[in-house]
Amino acid sequence: KQEVTQIPAALSVPEGENLVLNCSFTDSAIYNLQWFRQDPGKGLTSLLLIQSSQREQTSGRLNASLDKSSGRSTLYIAASQPGDSATYLCAVFSNDYKLSFGAGTTVTVRA
Amino acid sequence: SQTIHQWPATLVQPVGSPLSLECTVEGTSNPNLYWYRQAAGRGLQLLFYSVGIGQISSEVPQNLSASRPQDRQFILSSKKLLLSDSGFYLCAWSVQEGSPKFFGPGTRLTVL
Repeated sequence: KQEVTQIPAALSVPEGENLVLNCSFTDSAIYNLQWFRQDPGKGLTSLLLIQSSQREQTSGRLNASLDKSSGRSTLYIAASQPGDSATYLCAVFSNDYKLSFGAGTTVTVRA
Repeated sequence: SQTIHQWPATLVQPVGSPLSLECTVEGTSNPNLYWYRQAAGRGLQLLFYSVGIGQISSEVPQNLSASRPQDRQFILSSKKLLLSDSGFYLCAWSVQEGSPKFFGPGTRLTVL
């Protein structure tokens, strides 16, 4: 059974600092890994999707890396802004139709 | 463009009452559909998925059931709610070969 762990559970930084969010998973036989953003009481927004054959994906200030063999992914958010405050979820698609989520990292960016 | 709708947005129900949450998808055909639940402080747990009309797979034994009466409609139900059914319920869809990427706005269910 795939287990996904996210560290830290919560993070508070001043505006302008870079953010580093970590995700680890136990079964390296994955198809892809996604990072989602969740605002309080709302649904999920997909930020980045990394296929198992890829090492990283970039979108604007966001960069996600994937090391499948070690079961790790890292999401970097450069020059954080208050609007980046949200919960970030890592999810691994490892079997047909089974997307396993971590518990999330709640980020607060202080103005 | 594809959109996904869920309703209601919030729901407060007494223990023992029935439940029906609805999810519909627009702008795509023959999607895979999913129901997830997010308990407080925890990650999302897959409850059900469906690859076609009338085809439902359950991931965990529970008090809930799901149905797919139409291609783009997915319904989550219960005959008698339990306190432990409280949570945030998310519907999602994907293309047939892909992983869930598009999530609905969610339904906050509180069972009292």
